[in-house]
Amino acid sequence: QQQVKQSPQSLIVQKGGISIINCAYENTAFDYFPWYQQFPGKGPALLIAIRPDVSEKKEGRFTISFNKSAKQFSLHIMDSQPGDSATYFCAASPSGSNYKLTFGKGTLLTVNP
Amino acid sequence: DAGVIQSPRHEVTEMGQEVTLRCKPISGHNSLFWYRQTMMRGLELLIYFNNNVPIDDSGMPEDRFSAKMPNASFSTLKIQPSEPRDSAVYFCASGIHRRGTEAFFGQGTRLTVV
Repeated sequence: QQQVKQSPQSLIVQKGGISIINCAYENTAFDYFPWYQQFPGKGPALLIAIRPDVSEKKEGRFTISFNKSAKQFSLHIMDSQPGDSATYFCAASPSGSNYKLTFGKGTLLTVNP
Repeated sequence: DAGVIQSPRHEVTEMGQEVTLRCKPISGHNSLFWYRQTMMRGLELLIYFNNNVPIDDSGMPEDRFSAKMPNASFSTLKIQPSEPRDSAVYFCASGIHRRGTEAFFGQGTRLTVV
């Protein structure tokens, strides 16, 4: 059972454009939603995270939008840069067990110069 | 800070052999995770330690897998006997236990079982 569904699998964006990656979840007990960024040959690294008490969180060029009723959340990368080219994973974990992250399958983002 | 250190970076072994993966977490972190990453299944949590004690091993695939954390600065993941389907990248991560724990990942060990 895939509890966190991520789309698209891959995304190509021109430099300066907006990259949008979407995730949907099923478990209503989830209350922590991080996004991780992974470069080839490296481990994932936390990029930004949100809790369901807010609908949006922004950190620099990265924004998470959260829709609790639809059980969906998305990552927006504004002014995308070639250095943003990486694989992005959404994740979710339940209240009381925030260590227990369930990851989406990942989105390979390529930003062309 | 050197981050989470994993060894070896790459391991090739024959089916049936024992494999031991090693991890040194970030100093001061009291949570440690072992993850497995494959194309088919993505990132999966295998086991979670808090203060050196295994808290959740529900992700360990079968009895061939075992993990230990003898002290706060060292953990091992052992596979015995190894099988080709165990081929994957294994990540160790550490963090500080609190609500919304951020996991700091190592660079991973790429395991190939032939």
